[in-house]
Amino acid sequence: DAKTTQPPSMDCAEGRAANLPCNHSTISGNEYVYWYRQIHSQGPQYIIHGLKNNETNEMASLIITEDRKSSTLILPHATLRDTAVYYCIGLNAGGTSYGKLTFGQGTILTVHP
Amino acid sequence: KAGVTQTPRYLIKTRGQQVTLSCSPISGHRSVSWYQQTPGQGLQFLFEYFSETQRNKGNFPGRFSGRQFSNSRSEMNVSTLELGDSALYLCASSFGPAGGDTQYFGPGTRLTVL
Repeated sequence: DAKTTQPPSMDCAEGRAANLPCNHSTISGNEYVYWYRQIHSQGPQYIIHGLKNNETNEMASLIITEDRKSSTLILPHATLRDTAVYYCIGLNAGGTSYGKLTFGQGTILTVHP
Repeated sequence: KAGVTQTPRYLIKTRGQQVTLSCSPISGHRSVSWYQQTPGQGLQFLFEYFSETQRNKGNFPGRFSGRQFSNSRSEMNVSTLELGDSALYLCASSFGPAGGDTQYFGPGTRLTVL
């Protein structure tokens, strides 16, 4: 699975969009980009994932560059409840790394009033 | 649909004891993965079970073991507890057959070893 690189921390004002970048320059063609977040001492929460195309759901949008070497998670209107550690993970679809998500250090997003 | 449940939520043990943690996956999910989270090492993969078979294992000593039952519920066991085993233990379930299915996490079991 691809190694991902994220900034250690970011700040965002409440009500503004939070744009969290992730670099995954070694990603292979059949690896998905997954995003999870973890609010203090809770289990990680699935946010969104994508392969090539941009994706949107009720929580967020995922923008993947055409060369797939980086992506951006967008929380369109951040709230204080979005303060959490955000993890970007590469996962081989159908690969033999069964059940294994490799978590890095993630990005600590702090949303300010 | 109910989410992943883990019991107990909190546990205090002493060194040398053993502990069993339980995980009930989302209905219809057949894969269960276990993770350990500590402040120093972050989130680390322990093992994964699918249809009662361990398909993948992380780099942990043999004191850490698991099993899965025919109803997909899973347990993990840690024997001869050490202080360093104090951690948040998380399980995650997914539909299963493919290695890349989306995983959904439970709330975790907080284990403290004294």
